[in-house]
Amino acid sequence: AQSVTQLDSHVSVSEGTPVLLRCNYSSSYSPSLFWYVQHPNKGLQLLLKYTSAATLVKGINGFEAEFKKSETSFHLTKPSAHMSDAAEYFCVVSDTPRGGYSTLTFGKGTMLLVSP
Amino acid sequence: DAGVIQSPRHEVTEMGQEVTLRCKPISGHDYLFWYRQTMMRGLELLIYFNNNVPIDDSGMPEDRFSAKMPNASFSTLKIQPSEPRDSAVYFCASSVGRGIDNSPLHFGNGTRLTVT
Repeated sequence: AQSVTQLDSHVSVSEGTPVLLRCNYSSSYSPSLFWYVQHPNKGLQLLLKYTSAATLVKGINGFEAEFKKSETSFHLTKPSAHMSDAAEYFCVVSDTPRGGYSTLTFGKGTMLLVSP
Repeated sequence: DAGVIQSPRHEVTEMGQEVTLRCKPISGHDYLFWYRQTMMRGLELLIYFNNNVPIDDSGMPEDRFSAKMPNASFSTLKIQPSEPRDSAVYFCASSVGRGIDNSPLHFGNGTRLTVT
């Protein structure tokens, strides 16, 4: 079974300061991990993904995430927040296929608030 | 590329009425997913299709919910009869493959359903 825990429901930062959104996962096998972003009244958009290649993954808009197997973590970071980064972020895990098909399990989301 | 198109964007209905949500996936995508998003439960997978065939409907909450995909360019999610606890944002997503190693999930902008 797979699960994902986003440790913070809300994170507030000032524009220009670093962003850290935390995610821990559990998986019976080697997982694939993703971060999606959702802006208000929009669908989710893929930020980045980890699929057993390099452990440090770079995504769009300056975000990156590091896969740490020993800590079962996949935290999302950005060196300097922009106002446009204000959105909800979802950590997602996918495990070995069930009946031949994998599905994605979404975390509950972290709302990122960016103040001027 | 018009993206995944969902209609309507908003639906307000009275308890007991039938509700039909519609989705047009991206052309060429062979997987289609229906998700429900609520504050309490986050993003839940309801059902998904591969090449128009339902693969896993274990997330469908009860018999009041049904989904169809009569062809590669159209899917519906129907609730009959609707109840207030069905109020949520319903997302449709499509992908090439399962959204893991191939292309990511592409989400529509969702249908916000309110049942009074």
